[in-house]
Amino acid sequence: DTEVTQTPKHLVMGMTNKKSLKCEQHMGHRAMYWYKQKAKKPPELMFVYSYEKLSINESVPSRFSPECPNSSLLNLHLHALQPEDSALYLCASSQESGVTDTQYFGPGTRLTVL
Amino acid sequence: AQSVTQLGSHVSVSEGALVLLRCNYSSSVPPYLFWYVQYPNQGLQLLLKYTSAATLVKGINGFEAEFKKSETSFHLTKPSAHMSDAAEYFCAVSLSGGYQKVTFGIGTKLQVIP
Repeated sequence: DTEVTQTPKHLVMGMTNKKSLKCEQHMGHRAMYWYKQKAKKPPELMFVYSYEKLSINESVPSRFSPECPNSSLLNLHLHALQPEDSALYLCASSQESGVTDTQYFGPGTRLTVL
Repeated sequence: AQSVTQLGSHVSVSEGALVLLRCNYSSSVPPYLFWYVQYPNQGLQLLLKYTSAATLVKGINGFEAEFKKSETSFHLTKPSAHMSDAAEYFCAVSLSGGYQKVTFGIGTKLQVIP
């Protein structure tokens, strides 16, 4: 099983809402990633958990908060978002086994902020 | 510093024709290079990865890429295009081989004409 699942597929939220995106993998991977992808652009890395240690892209605003409850689950908590945060949010995972490692992506959550 | 340049934001080929997507890299040290594909409304999928083990890298779905140091290139090819190959393709580079420091190109949208 090489599947990364993400829920929900679509999310519409107001600027005062709090919501969470969820990601799950059962491949035993030790690294999990959150990316943001705007239309017609490449993905931008937001956060990485590697062996449950968090690395942050310093340009990501604090209204995005990641959480890794265990090595199979990854959440992205959203609070007080802005319309410009509307994008496709992609989760990915990899084994962190070295240069032969393969990265797997989920289908993404399409977020719209009103 | 590392970067990749994808030549041609849109490429059209006829079904059955050769697919050639161009990528040039800039890196101060020998890089690791990747090609990803993104089908409409989906996440990314790793097509192939160059790790210096072999200059010709074979990937999934019949794609391959050749690392040419003298030309600083890593072009993606497929002998015969299928309609199902229509997608966005991203070239990417990393100095460490890991996915935490990957820099993506802007992407090339491949259109396959019946």
